Amino acid sequence: GQNIDQPTEMTATEGAIVQINCTYQTSGFNGLFWYQQHAGEAPTFLSYNVLDGLEEKGRFSSFLSRSKGYSYLLLKELQMKDSASYLCAVRDPTDSWGKLQFGAGTQVVVTP
Amino acid sequence: ETGVTQSPTHLIKTRGQQVTLRCSSQSGHNTVSWYQQALGQGPQFIFQYYREEENGRGNFPPRFSGLQFPNYSSELNVNALELDDSALYLCASSTAGTANTEAFFGQGTRLTVV
Repeated sequence: GQNIDQPTEMTATEGAIVQINCTYQTSGFNGLFWYQQHAGEAPTFLSYNVLDGLEEKGRFSSFLSRSKGYSYLLLKELQMKDSASYLCAVRDPTDSWGKLQFGAGTQVVVTP
Repeated sequence: ETGVTQSPTHLIKTRGQQVTLRCSSQSGHNTVSWYQQALGQGPQFIFQYYREEENGRGNFPPRFSGLQFPNYSSELNVNALELDDSALYLCASSTAGTANTEAFFGQGTRLTVV
């Protein structure tokens, strides 16, 4: 079956580090994306992994292990504005090029 | 801003009515995908359009239909609205065939069915 799992909620303190895990099981795989979504707004692109390993982009890093069907998003030096939902999405080309299958999202709450 | 625009931003409809949502894709993008996002959930793929043809569909009934125009803009039509259709509808544009292109999302249309 098709499944993308991520924790529902995580809480961390300003300045700390948080790691959001995502495991996936899909028919096909052509890349894994992380999006940030503030309440009532559209998702905004954070990172993309298609090969195994770590991609670093400023305070955000994303890791992928295709053999384990696993990814994580690492948020460093947390700021209050990082409070948002983080969506893990797999691009599955089985039925349609570009189709994204999303997890339910992880709500990150940053406290002072 | 992503360059993807959706209209309207909010809409209230009555059960049984029909609705049309619109999306203008980012310049240079030839593929439009539509997603439905219920409260507290991740977006669910409805369908995708490429070169004015439907190019893949998720688990949505036929009363969800769409169009793509020569300028790559798109419409999502929903007939016989049901209360469960209340959700945020997101349009995403991208370029088919490019390996690592991300999808750029519009701000969404919040549909409420009463």
